[in-house]
Amino acid sequence: EDQVTQSPEALRLQEGESSSLNCSYTVSGLRGLFWYRQDPGKGPEFLFTLYSAGEEKEKERLKATLTKKESFLHITAPKPEDSATYLCAVQAGMEYGNKLVFGAGTILRVKS
Amino acid sequence: NAGVTQTPKFRVLKTGQSMTLLCAQDMNHEYMYWYRQDPGMGLRLIHYSVGEGTTAKGEVPDGYNVSRLKKQNFLLGLESAAPSQTSVYFCASSSPRGMGNTIYFGEGSWLTVV
Repeated sequence: EDQVTQSPEALRLQEGESSSLNCSYTVSGLRGLFWYRQDPGKGPEFLFTLYSAGEEKEKERLKATLTKKESFLHITAPKPEDSATYLCAVQAGMEYGNKLVFGAGTILRVKS
Repeated sequence: NAGVTQTPKFRVLKTGQSMTLLCAQDMNHEYMYWYRQDPGMGLRLIHYSVGEGTTAKGEVPDGYNVSRLKKQNFLLGLESAAPSQTSVYFCASSSPRGMGNTIYFGEGSWLTVV
């Protein structure tokens, strides 16, 4: 069974204090690992897709990396507007349809 | 850009009542999905569709039905609502081309069953 575990559940940072969020996964035949951002009362907003171990992608203060067992979302010098829930998800197997299996998310709060 | 649009955004139902959540997408996507999101459990797939006229069960399908009569619309029905179906429901869509295609989500529908 495909599983995704995110840690920590919640993270509080001071503005400018860099840190990382973890997403560990167990999956047969990874087709893609996704990071989404979700603001309160909103739907998930796509950030990155990673396809293979060693791959990295960046967007502003965010950098996502992937190994064979986990992915990290590194946040460099965060600002209060980076506060949100960050969701990790995997597409796996050969089943028809691009279904995603999600982790429970990490709630990030950045204080000024 | 509308993307994925869900209606209604909020609804309160009594136990046993029925209702339909409507989802429309304007990106010409083949695949559409319904997820539910509950605290501490992440998003879970209810049903999905890989094309007009087709539907399939996801991880938590019991108590729900779906229909995809038009490519751009995906309907989620609750025939007899139960308090356990109190949740936030998200519709999503994607294109089948290539690997690891991005799934785009709507803004959510908040459902409370009392």
